[in-house]
Amino acid sequence: DTGVSQDPRHKITKRGQNVTFRCDPISEHNRLYWYRQTLGQGPEFLTYFQNEAQLEKSRLLSDRFSAERPKGSFSTLEIQRTEQGDSAMYLCASSYREGEQFFGPGTRLTVL
Amino acid sequence: KNQVEQSPQSLIILEGKNCTLQCNYTVSPFSNLRWYKQDTGRGPVSLTIMTFSENTKSNGRYTATLDADTKQSSLHITASQLSDSASYICVVSAQTGANNLFFGTGTRLTVIP
Repeated sequence: DTGVSQDPRHKITKRGQNVTFRCDPISEHNRLYWYRQTLGQGPEFLTYFQNEAQLEKSRLLSDRFSAERPKGSFSTLEIQRTEQGDSAMYLCASSYREGEQFFGPGTRLTVL
Repeated sequence: KNQVEQSPQSLIILEGKNCTLQCNYTVSPFSNLRWYKQDTGRGPVSLTIMTFSENTKSNGRYTATLDADTKQSSLHITASQLSDSASYICVVSAQTGANNLFFGTGTRLTVIP
């Protein structure tokens, strides 16, 4: 499968715990995006990388959120001290330059 | 303000029937408009993409229209199937900026037998 992959697909955690998600983009894509989607809503932009550089962050990305793309390939999104309001689907997408973004299957986070 | 609005919010139709979903946008400067299908618990998958000069584009039973003057688009689904049950999201790209996608909230379509 040469599409965007995300791991894990589902994560249940207790409030206050830290969680980390991984995204593997399509190999030749230099841009990688993170979105958050709550039930009944469209995806909301969180941040994006061009190669290893994080070029833009949304105000939705509080200090508890951090994203990395250390080698310009896969990316991780970490949420520290999770809150119930963090429960959502976290989507990753990748593109080549400003071309079409291809989305991964998402990671469903549930914070108890 | 760049916005994308979709209607209806949800729709239930009988298998085999046709339906039309609507999208209005205020994104400027406009680059392109995509319709995505998102199955429950999955990421969005692109169905069609339309640029400023295109009025109609089809992908199997899906036909999208674009009126760039009125900033409206529609997605028509013909002879619906149970597998069409999903959320359909209208996404408009602006010409500038890397964070240049503006998402609608989607229309939740349920096809019943």
